[in-house]
Amino acid sequence: ELKVEQNPLFLSMQEGKNYTIYCNYSTTSDRLYWYRQDPGKSLESLFVLLSNGAVKQEGRLMASLDTKARLSTLHITAAVHDLSATYFCAVDRDQGAQKLVFGQGTRLTINP
Amino acid sequence: KAGVTQTPRYLIKTRGQQVTLSCSPISGHRSVSWYQQTPGQGLQFLFEYFSETQRNKGNFPGRFSGRQFSNSRSEMNVSTLELGDSALYLCASSSTFDTQYFGPGTRLTVL
Repeated sequence: ELKVEQNPLFLSMQEGKNYTIYCNYSTTSDRLYWYRQDPGKSLESLFVLLSNGAVKQEGRLMASLDTKARLSTLHITAAVHDLSATYFCAVDRDQGAQKLVFGQGTRLTINP
Repeated sequence: KAGVTQTPRYLIKTRGQQVTLSCSPISGHRSVSWYQQTPGQGLQFLFEYFSETQRNKGNFPGRFSGRQFSNSRSEMNVSTLELGDSALYLCASSSTFDTQYFGPGTRLTVL
């Protein structure tokens, strides 16, 4: 059974600092997604990582994928308050089958 | 392009009733997936439809069912509601093998 684990689950940080969220998964997959969820809202797609060594960046967020280690990271650079949200990673349970298995989510709070 | 839409946005039902939720995917997307989000279990896959056929199903009881119409719109139905069915139900649409885009969700409360 595919399991996806994120850590930390809660993260409180100061504006301007850097931090990394980790996403480990238990079986082989070449397709990993990162989503953002604001309180009471739906999921917003951030990144899709499709191959080993893939790196994508958007603003202060950068995601990478190491399929051999079954690990993805979401790195936040010089955090700003607007990045406060819950971040989820998700893996396709069967390559492209459109049935995602999500991690528990990391609730990120960025304090001024 | 318009995004994924879901109706209704909020529902309050009582135990034993049934409920139908609706999802309209992004134009051109033929795959529609449904997820349940609860504080205790997180986000869990319910089922996925493609071209009116259920392709994948999660680990939910038979009370949870769905269908997809020829225009790719999808509905899910929950019969004999239980308190534990209270959740945010999210619909997502995608092109084949592409990113899933999520709708705003339907928040179901079972009393």
